[in-house]
Amino acid sequence: DGGITQSPKYLFRKEGQNVTLSCEQNLNHDAMYWYRQDPGQGLRLIYYSQIVNDFQKGDIAEGYSVSREKKESFPLTVTSAQKNPTAFYLCASSHTGTPKLFFGSGTQLSVL
Amino acid sequence: DQQVKQNSPSLSVQEGRISILNCDYTNSMFDYFLWYKKYPAEGPTFLISISSIKDKNEDGRFTVFLNKSAKHLSLHIVPSQPGDSAVYFCAASASQAGTALIFGKGTTLSVSS
Repeated sequence: DGGITQSPKYLFRKEGQNVTLSCEQNLNHDAMYWYRQDPGQGLRLIYYSQIVNDFQKGDIAEGYSVSREKKESFPLTVTSAQKNPTAFYLCASSHTGTPKLFFGSGTQLSVL
Repeated sequence: DQQVKQNSPSLSVQEGRISILNCDYTNSMFDYFLWYKKYPAEGPTFLISISSIKDKNEDGRFTVFLNKSAKHLSLHIVPSQPGDSAVYFCAASASQAGTALIFGKGTTLSVSS
């Protein structure tokens, strides 16, 4: 089945630790996105990539980093510089130029 | 400043009645609007969309209305069912800007039987 796979479903981070969230898609989409959901805050854009080896910052990129070495993969690293990382992280993809996003099932990140 | 606003955090409706979810936007460059439905601990799923060249789009029980002059759109669900209970997000896109979707904060719909 085609879709977007996020792993792990749950992730715990210790103080000062970097963690990486995985996102893989087999929809042959060019564009991929990372959003963060906090209670009552809706979905806020962290980073997005419209083509391999290129990506742009979203509204809340500070404390995060991404890479786009393959079309299918768009991992997100939550660095120790992100002081409030506890949130539900959502990866999405789309065909370039179309606004309709397809989402993965999300990763819940918590701080120990 | 929020570009997409859903001013009602929650809405409660009885089964069989109409649910109306509202959304306002401030950016006049937005030309495509989408509604997503989300259950807890899951990713949002696409529900219905509308282009700015239309004022209405219908898909089964779901209808979206767009009032460009008021920068307002609404999602009507008729008849509402208990399975419709979820968080509904309004999202907007400015195709010329080539940027990602901008989401509202969501409205939690509860449909009671």
